[in-house]
Amino acid sequence: GAVVSQHPSRVICKSGTSVKIECRSLDFQATTMFWYRQFPKQSLMLMATSNEGSKATYEQGVEKDKFLINHASLTLSTLTVTSAHPEDSSFYICSAGRSATNEKLFFGSGTQLSVL
Amino acid sequence: DAKTTQPPSMDCAEGRAANLPCNHSTISGNEYVYWYRQIHSQGPQYIIHGLKNNETNEMASLIITEDRKSSTLILPHATLRDTAVYYCTGGSGNTPLVFGKGTRLSVIA
Repeated sequence: GAVVSQHPSRVICKSGTSVKIECRSLDFQATTMFWYRQFPKQSLMLMATSNEGSKATYEQGVEKDKFLINHASLTLSTLTVTSAHPEDSSFYICSAGRSATNEKLFFGSGTQLSVL
Repeated sequence: DAKTTQPPSMDCAEGRAANLPCNHSTISGNEYVYWYRQIHSQGPQYIIHGLKNNETNEMASLIITEDRKSSTLILPHATLRDTAVYYCTGGSGNTPLVFGKGTRLSVIA
């Protein structure tokens, strides 16, 4: 079945540094990918929709200058957390799907970000 | 976005069927009902989805009411590894899925 690969699975960084998370669709092309964030004991919250070749669409309350999204190819989207702070510590998850009305979304394994 | 309501938690004895309900009264006519589950510190795992008809696969069965306002996910023989948070949601095609709080299923030996 289709697989979405996410890397790294875990990252620890110092406050003020930037962290890049990669999301790849391994056996299908994804014109659209989605980024979610999940805090402990809470549900997944949609952050943004990543569109290949165009600007990402951010959900209300998500800072586009802080969470930079690049979707330069049909199989790769990246999320960069710029100038990370402890409050950005969270579980980040990407998802993608084939472009069909009855298709399901596939999710990456997630990235646990810890900002010290 | 389809709003969903699920019980916050359920217990199920190992080997028994687990029946997880979901109300999705605002789902629109072209939106599929999707079920995912999430085990701690992992990404959501797809289980099953359907539009109108009941569906069955190797993991579970999905029963959708005729008015499409609710559905039930059935795990026929729950195992300890089925302990997870189960989410139902609605969507259509390559649109983002919006997740509610889900149901925390605990399978007990």
